[in-house]
Amino acid sequence: EAGVAQSPRYKIIEKRQSVAFWCNPISGHATLYWYQQILGQGPKLLIQFQNNGVVDDSQLPKDRFSAERLKGVDSTLKIQPAKLEDSAVYLCASSPLLGSPLHFGNGTRLTVT
Amino acid sequence: QKEVEQNSGPLSVPEGAIASLNCTYSDRGSQSFFWYRQYSGKSPELIMSIYSNGDKEDGRFTAQLNKASQYVSLLIRDSQPSDSATYLCAVNNGNQGGKLIFGQGTELSVKP
Repeated sequence: EAGVAQSPRYKIIEKRQSVAFWCNPISGHATLYWYQQILGQGPKLLIQFQNNGVVDDSQLPKDRFSAERLKGVDSTLKIQPAKLEDSAVYLCASSPLLGSPLHFGNGTRLTVT
Repeated sequence: QKEVEQNSGPLSVPEGAIASLNCTYSDRGSQSFFWYRQYSGKSPELIMSIYSNGDKEDGRFTAQLNKASQYVSLLIRDSQPSDSATYLCAVNNGNQGGKLIFGQGTELSVKP
């Protein structure tokens, strides 16, 4: 089966600019997650979708971050405006059921200068 | 208190030795427990999952779960240099809609 697809792989922007990341989960996976991983730390959950509904977004900085999952398949994560501390790898993951193991994409490495 | 906490690294073991990685969690309602391996610059990959108390073995890997002590561990027998990576403990609380919380990771270095 095809894995979780993410794009772009790398992105460099200046602070206060905006950026968007895209994720296509494994076909048939109902649950989709966005994680932020800062260098040297474990992944931090930003938002979790079940189909096209939000299950958890308690750690999403909603003043600058937004995410959507159109038609319960693809998802986009947007940052506007970006801050220096947003420099991290943004990981998308999907799973077939709530509570089952996650399958991760290759991630997008964001550098904010 | 962190929701999921791992022993601080880096952990260095000689080739062929047993590597022991530990993890504690704070939510007693947690139901699913996972170990992921993450090579530098790569995404996490699942190596073990465990759902009930006791040991679960898969090849050179053994996961151990003790829900009463809120403790989960991973043993790697006959450690190889290719096992050198960061190991992430992840815990799921089914009452929170499948939210998966990761620890900070333990870096393992296996010396030839």
